[in-house]
Amino acid sequence: DGGITQSPKYLFRKEGQNVTLSCEQNLNHDAMYWYRQDPGQGLRLIYYSQIVNDFQKGDIAEGYSVSREKKESFPLTVTSAQKNPTAFYLCASSMGSEQYFGPGTRLTVT
Amino acid sequence: QQQVKQSPQSLIVQKGGIPIINCAYENTAFDYFPWYQQFPGKGPALLIAIRPDVSEKKEGRFTISFNKSAKQFSLHIMDSQPGDSATYFCAASGSFGNEKLTFGTGTRLTIIP
Repeated sequence: DGGITQSPKYLFRKEGQNVTLSCEQNLNHDAMYWYRQDPGQGLRLIYYSQIVNDFQKGDIAEGYSVSREKKESFPLTVTSAQKNPTAFYLCASSMGSEQYFGPGTRLTVT
Repeated sequence: QQQVKQSPQSLIVQKGGIPIINCAYENTAFDYFPWYQQFPGKGPALLIAIRPDVSEKKEGRFTISFNKSAKQFSLHIMDSQPGDSATYFCAASGSFGNEKLTFGTGTRLTIIP
C-alpha cells in the first residue's frame, strides 16, 4: 500500500522541549517537503529536500531543522527556538510536478 | 512575482449549483497548475491539474479553465454536493525537475442542501 505516513497524528509537548515529527514515504519519490498550516490559513513551506543528503529552507525555516539521510524519510524537528510551534504540520513528496500530502500531525505546545 | 492570488476566501452555494474559485498568477515561468481539496483535519488531496497547452480540463464534476493571456485559472464544480464542502487550494509551479509549489490562500466552500 503506497503512500505517505506521518506519526503521530496528535502530539503534545511542554514549552521549551524539542520535538521530532516523522514522515515516511514508499512512493520512491525524490523530493519531500514540510509545510505548516495554522487554523483557517494556507500552507507555508518550512523545508524541502530534492535529493538525499540535501535540503533547502522554505519561507518559515526559523526554529525548525530537518535531515534527509534516506530517500524515504524526512523528519522535522521543532526546536524550542520556534516561538509559536502549535500548528498542523503536513509532509509531502513528489516525483516531478505532482505533489502528494500525508495525513498531517497536529502539534500542541503548552 | 511568486504569488498566487486566490478568491473568494469563502463561498456558500446551494446543492446543485456551480461554485467557481479563481486564481491569478504573475510568474510566466509557471506551467503546472494543480488544485487541492482539503477536509478538516486531513492532508490536502490532489484533485485535478492543468498545463498551459490546453484551456480546459475535466475530471468528473471538476473542471479547470485556464486563460494563459490573463494569467488566470479557475475551478468549477458541476452539480455540487454537500460532500464537496471543503477548503480548496490552487497552486502553481514550473515543471523543471521537482519544483516547489506556490499555493493560493485557500477557499472555504460550503454546499448547503
